[in-house]
Amino acid sequence: DAKTTQPPSMDCAEGRAANLPCNHSTISGNEYVYWYRQIHSQGPQYIIHGLKNNETNEMASLIITEDRKSSTLILPHATLRDTAVYYCIVRVGRETSGSRLTFGEGTQLTVNP
Amino acid sequence: KAGVTQTPRYLIKTRGQQVTLSCSPISGHRSVSWYQQTPGQGLQFLFEYFSETQRNKGNFPGRFSGRQFSNSRSEMNVSTLELGDSALYLCASSLSRSPNGYTFGSGTRLTVV
Repeated sequence: DAKTTQPPSMDCAEGRAANLPCNHSTISGNEYVYWYRQIHSQGPQYIIHGLKNNETNEMASLIITEDRKSSTLILPHATLRDTAVYYCIVRVGRETSGSRLTFGEGTQLTVNP
Repeated sequence: KAGVTQTPRYLIKTRGQQVTLSCSPISGHRSVSWYQQTPGQGLQFLFEYFSETQRNKGNFPGRFSGRQFSNSRSEMNVSTLELGDSALYLCASSLSRSPNGYTFGSGTRLTVV
């Protein structure tokens, strides 16, 4: 799986959009970009994933650049409950002989009142 | 529908003992993965099971083992516990052969004294 690079920490004001960047310059054509978050001492929570088109769900939007070398997770109206560590992961989506998620350090997002 | 259930939530063991942790995946999910999370190493992949077969393994010593039953429930076992095995152990289930995300349980907090 391709390596990802994320800033270690970010701050955001409550009610504002939080934009979390991720670089994955070695991504392959069949690798998806996944985002998870982990609130302290809980299991990681799936947020969204995408291949090359921008994606949106009830939690967030995912913007992937045209060359697929980077992406941005957008939380449109951040709340205090969005304070968590956010992980950007790149992996092959279609499993054949097994798969794993390789977690990096992630970005600690702190939403301030 | 019910999420991924891990039992027990908390466990305290003594060095040298062994421990068994249990994971019940989401109904219909046949792939179960295990992860270890420590402050120093972050989230690390242990192994993955699908249809009662281990099909992917992380870089952990042989003291760490697992199995999966015909109903997809999984157990992991750690023998001859060491202080460094103190960690949050997370289980995740997914629909195999799909790019969809993994669903994690809340984890088992193991403390070795």
